[in-house]
Amino acid sequence: EPEVTQTPSHQVTQMGQEVILRCVPISNHLYFYWYRQILGQKVEFLVSFYNNEISEKSEIFDDQFSVERPDGSNFTLKIRSTKLEDSAMYFCASSEAGQPYEQYFGPGTRLTVT
Amino acid sequence: SQQGEEDPQALSIQEGENATMNCSYKTSINNLQWYRQNSGRGLVHLILIRSNEREKHSGRLRVTLDTSKKSSSLLITASRAADTASYFCASIQGAQKLVFGQGTRLTINP
Repeated sequence: EPEVTQTPSHQVTQMGQEVILRCVPISNHLYFYWYRQILGQKVEFLVSFYNNEISEKSEIFDDQFSVERPDGSNFTLKIRSTKLEDSAMYFCASSEAGQPYEQYFGPGTRLTVT
Repeated sequence: SQQGEEDPQALSIQEGENATMNCSYKTSINNLQWYRQNSGRGLVHLILIRSNEREKHSGRLRVTLDTSKKSSSLLITASRAADTASYFCASIQGAQKLVFGQGTRLTINP
């Protein structure tokens, strides 16, 4: 069964550094998303992406964050100048055209900022 | 506004028993979904119920939706140790944004 994959599974970085989290969505899906979950808290929406542009973003998704689909298979989340409070699990998700609400999640990348 | 608040926050039952988790929400929805998350892992989509549906089944899962009370419940019958996980309800706000509740942490004791 096709699945969303994410790399790395765990990333440790120093405060102020830039990180890129990578995702490979399910191949025939056209909508892509990033969510995050701070330890012990709710899963929070960050951004959705369709047709090579951001379609929706949350207040969390400020200028520190950016997303890109650099080729036909990868979807990346870049966090510039990381802060301690960026430590969280970051989940990528994707969904089919016409069914944007049935989202399939990857296993997540645990980001630890020290 | 907060959307999708689960109740209880934690539930511990014996294997073979049924587990019921509830979710309440504040704004109108087109559909409501339930997800499972095993410890430290990703979210697995379990079931989606549309606003014009009252009940839906999938294997050992039964979901109900009461739009007049803005609430939903997830029933897992004949629970197994492998059902131990956190369960979240979620609804779409706007075009595509899934909004999750805090979740119910379910523990199945052998």
